[in-house]
Amino acid sequence: AQTVTQSQPEMSVQEAETVTLSCTYDTSENNYYLFWYKQPPSRQMILVIRQEAYKQQNATENRFSVNFQKAAKSFSLKISDSQLGDTAMYFCACLTGANSKLTFGKGITLSVRP
Amino acid sequence: DSGVTQTPKHLITATGQRVTLRCSPRSGDLSVYWYQQSLDQGLQFLIQYYNGEERAKGNILERFSAQQFPDLHSELNLSSLELGDSALYFCASSLKSLPSGGNEQFFGPGTRLTVL
Repeated sequence: AQTVTQSQPEMSVQEAETVTLSCTYDTSENNYYLFWYKQPPSRQMILVIRQEAYKQQNATENRFSVNFQKAAKSFSLKISDSQLGDTAMYFCACLTGANSKLTFGKGITLSVRP
Repeated sequence: DSGVTQTPKHLITATGQRVTLRCSPRSGDLSVYWYQQSLDQGLQFLIQYYNGEERAKGNILERFSAQQFPDLHSELNLSSLELGDSALYFCASSLKSLPSGGNEQFFGPGTRLTVL
């Protein structure tokens, strides 16, 4: 079984600044995928970024990038040029095994200050 | 808009009752997943279907059941409801089932269930 840990319950960042959200995971499998999902006040779960464990290159999607440290089992999300619309809860998730179930961390609440 | 639809958006019912939540996956997606989000338990995987067959079970209570129909829509049935079943229920879909390319899960808007 896999576990995902997000130890910071909340963070705050000034608009236009950069913020990094931390996540660690644990799995015994070699083939797995990591994701960050965003949940704004609307409660919709929105896929932000995805990382394949077999790829060494860190994934990027516009202002969002990850720092994937496989040996340390760390998967942090960096948001550059933070915008007010980035205010949301962010969940780190791990997908392994034949059943493809996502295991989520507890989430972190990010507030972007104007 | 993820392309995954869920109905109803809100549901208020009483303890002991039974409800059915409905999900239509994105066009072309064969796999459907159900998740429960509650304040105390966080986001928990309940069950997965792939092309009509049950593929995996998570922390799903025996009072809960699901199925996926030939047109690939899915229903989650919750019976003998208790106060603790109040939660946001998400459906997600993906093109493939196995950890491989195309396994990104796209979530519907959720059904908020309130049990009084």
